[in-house]
Amino acid sequence: AIWMTQSPSLLSASTGDRVTISCRMSQGISSYLAWYQQKPGKAPELLIYAASTLQSGVPSRFSGSGSGTDFTLTISCLQSEDFATYYCQQYYSFPWTFGQGTKVEIK
Amino acid sequence: EVQLVESGGGLVQPGGSLRLSCAASGFTFSSYSMNWVRQAPGKGLEWVSYISSSSSTIYYADSVKGRFTISRDNAKNSLYLQMNSLRAEDTAVYYCAREGGSGSFYDYWGQGTLVTVSS
Repeated sequence: AIWMTQSPSLLSASTGDRVTISCRMSQGISSYLAWYQQKPGKAPELLIYAASTLQSGVPSRFSGSGSGTDFTLTISCLQSEDFATYYCQQYYSFPWTFGQGTKVEIK
Repeated sequence: EVQLVESGGGLVQPGGSLRLSCAASGFTFSSYSMNWVRQAPGKGLEWVSYISSSSSTIYYADSVKGRFTISRDNAKNSLYLQMNSLRAEDTAVYYCAREGGSGSFYDYWGQGTLVTVSS
């Protein structure tokens, strides 16, 4: 199985900040990576797939980059509705796996 | 509008069984692979099982292999998860999730159904 290390696990930030979340793989996965946002009591929502393709309807302040083993999710200007938990997911090889999650909280 | 609605969760004793259902609407269900993903209370996401559009390919996580069975009925636009020999560590919210057309990521999720395994 492919191991994923997502960091940080907790990120304290203010509205308007630029934030970055990292996801590192135990082996190369090309660009087979997705990012999700989850708010308390809700199902996850797809933000980005293929490492950098924005899902339809997702604001352009979200962006993804990377390939191989190192990936990044960037929120360019944090909005109040962005305080949530973010997960990466690899779909390069079975079993599909998720990162441990990054909670973005208000500083 | 794509909708996925899970049902069938509840409280069950260790060793018991439960069958989850996911009713799909708003898209051509028979054209998409589907998955079950779970989330234990306060924990992260864990992929559980996958079924291809025609049911020809099925995968399970090692943690549920031999105990859970995924199936689908394309005529009824429904996905199922039969869970047997349940353990306390199976306690979680179970989500059905549709795969995106270009890879095994999940573009639509249901609201989830809570399964609690406890005596």
